[in-house]
Amino acid sequence: DAGVTQSPTHLIKTRGQHVTLRCSPISGHKSVSWYQQVLGQGPQFIFQYYEKEERGRGNFPDRFSARQFPNYSSELNVNALLLGDSALYLCASSLVGQAAYEQYFGPGTRLTVT
Amino acid sequence: GQQLNQSPQSMFIQEGEDVSMNCTSSSIFNTWLWYKQDPGEGPVLLIALYKAGELTSNGRLTAQFGITRKDSFLNISASIPSDVGIYFCAGHKGPKASGSRLTFGEGTQLTVNP
Repeated sequence: DAGVTQSPTHLIKTRGQHVTLRCSPISGHKSVSWYQQVLGQGPQFIFQYYEKEERGRGNFPDRFSARQFPNYSSELNVNALLLGDSALYLCASSLVGQAAYEQYFGPGTRLTVT
Repeated sequence: GQQLNQSPQSMFIQEGEDVSMNCTSSSIFNTWLWYKQDPGEGPVLLIALYKAGELTSNGRLTAQFGITRKDSFLNISASIPSDVGIYFCAGHKGPKASGSRLTFGEGTQLTVNP
């Protein structure tokens, strides 16, 4: 079975631009979470979506938004990019209930803001 | 910011040696997980722990959920070169917490010399 897939793999943007990152969960997984991983640090939680609704939000500004589609895939949008937004953006999918804590990550999208 | 403290930050060992690393928190977590991340990839789930005192194995890996619920330990026996990578602990605070948000430590970088 295919794992979590993310696109694009790499992205270079200029300050002030907007970016959209995409994620497809493991088949059968209905929950999708997004994390930001800055070089040298552990992932930091941004959002969780389940059944197209936001179920949790981390300490990130309103420039960050996301949505989930009927097929459970998800998009992360970041507006007005800052240099500090340069990071690896990870998508994770999971089942629901207690198994929701067992999150399976995709390979990530490496975003560079210049 | 991060609430989980991992130690050591890095380890350099010889192939065949056993490895121990740990993760501590000032607050209680109800689920502990251990992930491994290779360069350019997303974290891979190794072990999930759900009960205080629980000891769970996955091949050469053994992890324990501390009885205070504020710590967890990961041991790797008879290390091999492919064990190289960054090991992250992650915790979830329980059903009343925000969705399935995981809090990650800053990682332990493991290097195995053949």
